[in-house]
Amino acid sequence: TQLLEQSPQFLSIQEGENLTVYCNSSSVFSSLQWYRQEPGEGPVLLVTVVTGGEVKKLKRLTFQFGDARKDSSLHITAAQPGDTGLYLCAGVTDNFNKFYFGSGTKLNVKP
Amino acid sequence: DVKVTQSSRYLVKRTGEKVFLECVQDMDHENMFWYRQDPGLGLRLIYFSYDVKMKEKGDIPEGYSVSREKKERFSLILESASTNQTSMYLCASRPGASRYGYTFGSGTRLTVV
Repeated sequence: TQLLEQSPQFLSIQEGENLTVYCNSSSVFSSLQWYRQEPGEGPVLLVTVVTGGEVKKLKRLTFQFGDARKDSSLHITAAQPGDTGLYLCAGVTDNFNKFYFGSGTKLNVKP
Repeated sequence: DVKVTQSSRYLVKRTGEKVFLECVQDMDHENMFWYRQDPGLGLRLIYFSYDVKMKEKGDIPEGYSVSREKKERFSLILESASTNQTSMYLCASRPGASRYGYTFGSGTRLTVV
């Protein structure tokens, strides 16, 4: 059983569409991170959210941390083929050496 | 540009071989980690180290060992490779005791035949 559940697992959309990916848990995290992984490469950190209710924007990507610090969402506006990849969330507990990864959302943006 | 370098991108080994996966980071990070990534199972922590010569078991340490003789280098050892160890292996590093994220290497895709 995953501590962090991501949904959807797979998403295939056309260029220009909007999408939202969810990361949910019954546990409280001190912070939560989002990574993107391209095929054949390691994950790359996109953002860290720390405060309940926090919203961060990275160009067309908007990240939100839930008020109770148990969940997070990633919204992509006007998706582009370059957004294609595996999106992973990772929750950080108060013991900073323990990260919990979700199983990922595989996004395919078709031209 | 800071980075984590894994020595091999692809490896093919025979069952029973002893396999060494090497990882080097140039960021002076205290913490280093080894994960394996399998479809449907996500990232699973094998071992981590928060200091030179220190190591801690992760969630799936069986069949693996690690070595950290220098701060910048963290090695994963498969004592006797088996086919169920065929996987993508990812090394990562992170500053100590902080909320900073991981910097991952590009991964080593290991096939055991």
